[in-house]
Amino acid sequence: DTGVSQNPRHKITKRGQNVTFRCDPISEHNRLYWYRQTLGQGPEFLTYFQNEAQLEKSRLLSDRFSAERPKGSFSTLEIQRTEQGDSAMYLCASSPPGQGKAYTEAFFGQGTRLTVV
Amino acid sequence: RKEVEQDPGPFNVPEGATVAFNCTYSNSASQSFFWYRQDCRKEPKLLMSVYSSGNEDGRFTAQLNRASQYISLLIRDSKLSDSATYLCVVNKDPGYALNFGKGTSLLVTP
Repeated sequence: DTGVSQNPRHKITKRGQNVTFRCDPISEHNRLYWYRQTLGQGPEFLTYFQNEAQLEKSRLLSDRFSAERPKGSFSTLEIQRTEQGDSAMYLCASSPPGQGKAYTEAFFGQGTRLTVV
Repeated sequence: RKEVEQDPGPFNVPEGATVAFNCTYSNSASQSFFWYRQDCRKEPKLLMSVYSSGNEDGRFTAQLNRASQYISLLIRDSKLSDSATYLCVVNKDPGYALNFGKGTSLLVTP
């Protein structure tokens, strides 16, 4: 499968625990995005990487959230001290290089569904 | 005011019907516009980009009105397989992110 891969697909955790999700983008895609989607809403932007550089972060990304893309390949999203409000689908997307900020098609992974109990 | 607004529906239409979805966006500096499709419990997938001159892909026609900051999607001859949520998407300017609307739910019935 050469699409965007996310692991785990489902995660149930107790409030206050830390969780980490992984995203493997399509190879040669240097752009990587994290989005969060709750029921009945469209995806909300969290953060963007170009290669290993984190170029943009949403104000949704509180101090408890951190993302990394250490070698410009896979990325991780960590949530510390989870709260019930963190329950959502966490989507990763990747896209190929483009000129400047020109948009290139983003391909989404199937997401990690987080439930905080 | 949300950056991208859509009528959430649901739109229930019979097979063969023509249905139109509308979307407005608030940032006049936005440059890129798209419609994504999302099936239940699946990831969003690009349906089509939207260009100022309007564009068509088979049964799907997208229109952009920059002056009114309005985007539309027309689906002709609806199929059962068109049942999904259609997300209006606008690039965030400045920046790399995409702003998604809440989505419009379409159910095509036999």
